[in-house]
Amino acid sequence: NAGVTQTPKFQVLKTGQSMTLQCAQDMNHNSMYWYRQDPGMGLRLIYYSASEGTTDKGEVPNGYNVSRLNKREFSLRLESAAPSQTSVYFCASSKEQNRVSETQYFGPGTRLLVL
Amino acid sequence: QKEVEQDPGPLSVPEGAIVSLNCTYSNSAFQYFMWYRQYSRKGPELLMYTYSSGNKEDGRFTAQVDKSSKYISLFIRDSQPSDSATYLCAMIGVGGAQKLVFGQGTRLTINP
Repeated sequence: NAGVTQTPKFQVLKTGQSMTLQCAQDMNHNSMYWYRQDPGMGLRLIYYSASEGTTDKGEVPNGYNVSRLNKREFSLRLESAAPSQTSVYFCASSKEQNRVSETQYFGPGTRLLVL
Repeated sequence: QKEVEQDPGPLSVPEGAIVSLNCTYSNSAFQYFMWYRQYSRKGPELLMYTYSSGNKEDGRFTAQVDKSSKYISLFIRDSQPSDSATYLCAMIGVGGAQKLVFGQGTRLTINP
């Protein structure tokens, strides 16, 4: 089991460019999440998908879109990158949405730098 | 005011010391309290969780929750250099579309 995988590991973008962060899990989990982590801010939820076919906004959704491609894959898209989106992005998955008995498993992260 | 406050540190202690990490929160609806550990350039991993008030022990780690004070703690006994990491508290309510809320994380270094 690879768990949660993310690509790319690191990316540099210029302001205004677009890109898609990919996430996949092989644990047959129903729920998937995208977080960003900034110094002094902890982890903040961008979007989540409680189950295949559904997506919902989290705390900081502006400037992002998501697609739950299938049960395994959940992508995050930046349509027009801004320097404020420089961050480390983590994808996570859990068997069910936000049930504490079902731990959230995190990927290794994508470091994004927007110039 | 953030819903969950955590001193970001950094905190540096000698090997073998007892470490105390703390979070305060403002939302009385939180019922489950978790501690995640995050090694450098890795994703967070769940260390332990507690429901409502009380203590929970797992080896060298003890989690405490005081709901009356809205205060949670993680104690690490006989700290080891391998415990050096960032520790994030997180909490969640019950029912409905609840979401996990994280603290800022405390960077801990255990010096040999």
